[in-house]
Amino acid sequence: GAGVSQSPRYKVTKRGQDVALRCDPISGHVSLYWYRQALGQGPEFLTYFNYEAQQDKSGLPNDRFSAERPEGSISTLTIQRTEQRDSAMYRCASSLSFGELFFGEGSRLTVL
Amino acid sequence: ELKVEQNPLFLSMQEGKNYTIYCNYSTTSDRLYWYRQDPGKSLESLFVLLSNGAVKQEGRLMASLDTKARLSTLHITAAVHDLSATYFCAVERKGGGADGLTFGKGTHLIIQP
Repeated sequence: GAGVSQSPRYKVTKRGQDVALRCDPISGHVSLYWYRQALGQGPEFLTYFNYEAQQDKSGLPNDRFSAERPEGSISTLTIQRTEQRDSAMYRCASSLSFGELFFGEGSRLTVL
Repeated sequence: ELKVEQNPLFLSMQEGKNYTIYCNYSTTSDRLYWYRQDPGKSLESLFVLLSNGAVKQEGRLMASLDTKARLSTLHITAAVHDLSATYFCAVERKGGGADGLTFGKGTHLIIQP
């Protein structure tokens, strides 16, 4: 597609529920990144993929967070047993080559 | 641990004035990125600085990079209201560029008539 597409744009869930956030990167982009952005802060790295391989998941806060990109295109970030502290904007970005990232509109997660 | 620090974090200025935003970082990266974010919107890439001494300009914004000092600046000339936004600098997490970026906390810029 023309840009990075994320869904849902807004998600409200109850504490303890699982959520799945989807990212469709720019066509042809090899690398896909997940970031979390708190209000008034910069994006915080979570994990990234080159093609289907998860290269670095050191930014995932704990084992309730996981991500996959099984066919090297669309990616899903899953948060299990959500907690209120998980509430944030989750942003996906993709990249063709060196460093410049192109971001999607984000998925705003609210955990009640 | 890689640190990226922006200064100032908040800036209110009048239209027509000049000002500079500073970005210091702790790694030896040769590349630095500037992004703009409007309220409620995504991040938009402004500048990609690829080497020491790099300077790029777009309209009233000019970015420069001094890798020896580990410092980048974003200079605003004759500010206009449309430049009100949050500006982030970012450096590569690791060498090579494919590992993603580490962002500063952002400079929240308000330009008043």
